[in-house]
Amino acid sequence: QITLKESGPTLVKPTQTLTLTCTFSGFSLSTSGVGVGWIRQPPGKALEWLALIYWDDDKRYSPSLKSRLTITKDTSKNQVVLTMTNMDPVDTATYYCAHSSGSYLDAFDIWGQGTMVTVSS
Amino acid sequence: AIRITQSPSSLSASTGDRVTITCRASQGISSYLAWYQQKPGKAPKLLIYAASTLQSGVPSRFSGSGSGTDFTLTISCLQSEDFATYYCQQYNSYPLTFGGGTKVEIK
Repeated sequence: QITLKESGPTLVKPTQTLTLTCTFSGFSLSTSGVGVGWIRQPPGKALEWLALIYWDDDKRYSPSLKSRLTITKDTSKNQVVLTMTNMDPVDTATYYCAHSSGSYLDAFDIWGQGTMVTVSS
Repeated sequence: AIRITQSPSSLSASTGDRVTITCRASQGISSYLAWYQQKPGKAPKLLIYAASTLQSGVPSRFSGSGSGTDFTLTISCLQSEDFATYYCQQYNSYPLTFGGGTKVEIK
């Protein structure tokens, strides 16, 4: 059974760096074809894809946020970490991590429960 | 980036109704489209991938169709547990993009 769970701060100040961790079980990020992505959702708004990392360490980013994002993986710990610099109140959202398994470019079949991050001074 | 236009943004329907939601891509995406259901306070759940393939465990009243730029999600006989917000997502190319969502409410 595949599960993912996001963790990190619930409140960050403007200009600070956000670090979120996705801890997963039921699969290995060293298995060919596997990827873990991050998606966010501001309150009452639509989903927005942020970044994705694959088993071979290929990394993809949303062009509009690329300069602020870094995604890494720790295969031994079954974790994926997303950092987002220079946080702003508009970055207030629920952040989800999700699993994909169809090699590059696939749907997200399993999602974490999400973690709400508020950006405020 | 490929833009996904989803319509309607909301609809009211009754239990037992047939409901159709559409997504239009700004350029052809073959069949690389997924549909998700999201209930309040919960994570999205994958319903359909590859435009028309039902994810394991999803009731057969859900179906998807389309290819290229125009796609449809149909719920053949709306049940009480289907009242939720639905999103489509293209995975033909990066950046991955989602539609704006369709909220299905009780009439």
